Amino acid sequence: GENVEQHPSTLSVQEGDSAVIKCTYSDSASNYFPWYKQELGKGPQLIIDIRSNVGEKKDQRIAVTLNKTAKHFSLHITETQPEDSAVYFCAASIMKAGTALIFGKGTTLSVSS
Amino acid sequence: GAVVSQHPSRVICKSGTSVKIECRSLDFQATTMFWYRQFPKKSLMLMATSNEGSKATYEQGVEKDKFLINHASLTLSTLTVTSAHPEDSSFYICSASGLGGRETQYFGPGTRLLVL
Repeated sequence: GENVEQHPSTLSVQEGDSAVIKCTYSDSASNYFPWYKQELGKGPQLIIDIRSNVGEKKDQRIAVTLNKTAKHFSLHITETQPEDSAVYFCAASIMKAGTALIFGKGTTLSVSS
Repeated sequence: GAVVSQHPSRVICKSGTSVKIECRSLDFQATTMFWYRQFPKKSLMLMATSNEGSKATYEQGVEKDKFLINHASLTLSTLTVTSAHPEDSSFYICSASGLGGRETQYFGPGTRLLVL
């Protein structure tokens, strides 16, 4: 079945460093790839997304790259800050009753000052 | 824009009772709403997808008679956990799509359910 693999499961960086989280997906029909940030006890917050007709997208300190041939996409956070500490989930679209998402298992990012 | 609310934020109930959770899209019309369940330190597990005015589509292994979903309007979906048991204790999160591209899902803040 459809699957999204996410690595690493935990990531610790120093403030100011960059953080990279990688995901691979299995369904070649997937064409939409969002990233969510979830803080403890809260719902996931959409931080950036990319569609299959684009290879890279950037929004201030956050960027996402997509390689459709290899079926992988990555989240890049530059100049990390302590408030970036959270769990990050990648997801890929799948066609169900409407367009649903299948999520990776999450990456716990810790940024120390 | 793209604000989704959930009510209540947390609920404690006795085993055997039913609990209703509301999910509202506050500033857009949600053609599709999704219900997820999340265990501690785990990923989001899709329970069901609902389109306004039609029956929900449940994922394999999710009991539709236990988790009743109603999507009565373009801004409101409800999840009712019937005859709740301690194993139903979890974090339930809804999401809504219909703004910014049909695939984009905006999540509510979640509801923490504890069944005693």
